[in-house]
Amino acid sequence: GAGVSQTPSNKVTEKGKYVELRCDPISGHTALYWYRQSLGQGPEFLIYFQGTGAADDSGLPNDRFFAVRPEGSVSTLKIQRTERGDSAVYLCASSALGNEQFFGPGTRLTVL
Amino acid sequence: AQSVSQHNHHVILSEAASLELGCNYSYGGTVNLFWYVQYPGQHLQLLLKYFSGDPLVKGIKGFEAEFIKSKFSFNLRKPSVQWSDTAEYFCAVNALASGTYKYIFGTGTRLKVLA
Repeated sequence: GAGVSQTPSNKVTEKGKYVELRCDPISGHTALYWYRQSLGQGPEFLIYFQGTGAADDSGLPNDRFFAVRPEGSVSTLKIQRTERGDSAVYLCASSALGNEQFFGPGTRLTVL
Repeated sequence: AQSVSQHNHHVILSEAASLELGCNYSYGGTVNLFWYVQYPGQHLQLLLKYFSGDPLVKGIKGFEAEFIKSKFSFNLRKPSVQWSDTAEYFCAVNALASGTYKYIFGTGTRLKVLA
């Protein structure tokens, strides 16, 4: 594809609900990253995939957060039992490993 | 743990003024260094990157950055800013020998250029 795409662009949910955020990386990029960005902060690393496997998930804040990339392309970030503190913009980026990252437009998650 | 510090959180300049944004990182080994920019309403995009070689790197739109290993710094510069440079700027580090390709970002510097 032309760039990294993320859906939905906005998601409003209620506290306690489950949400899924999708990322479609640039074709051929083996590395895929998820970040969370709160107002006034830089992107905060959550997890990255090399191919289908999670190479580093040290940034996931707790076990309510989980991400998959079953076929080494599209990835889904899953958040269970959402809390108001999960409200943020969730960014996805892809890259050829070790090189510059290309970012998507982000999904703005609001937990009421 | 790796960290990245951007000391200037908000910078306001007039057009044609010179710009220098500070970035310091904490990691003693080999690093890849990046500056990203986010224009209002747009995605994060790469301004420039340093992997190895000449420590003075040039990026898009007249930006440059200098890697000073002894100071753990990678400051961003532009001799003469334009109104269109109004944006948020993020420094990022990838520490190669740490066993992971994760990137650590600074908190960003919001630049406003007055016409």
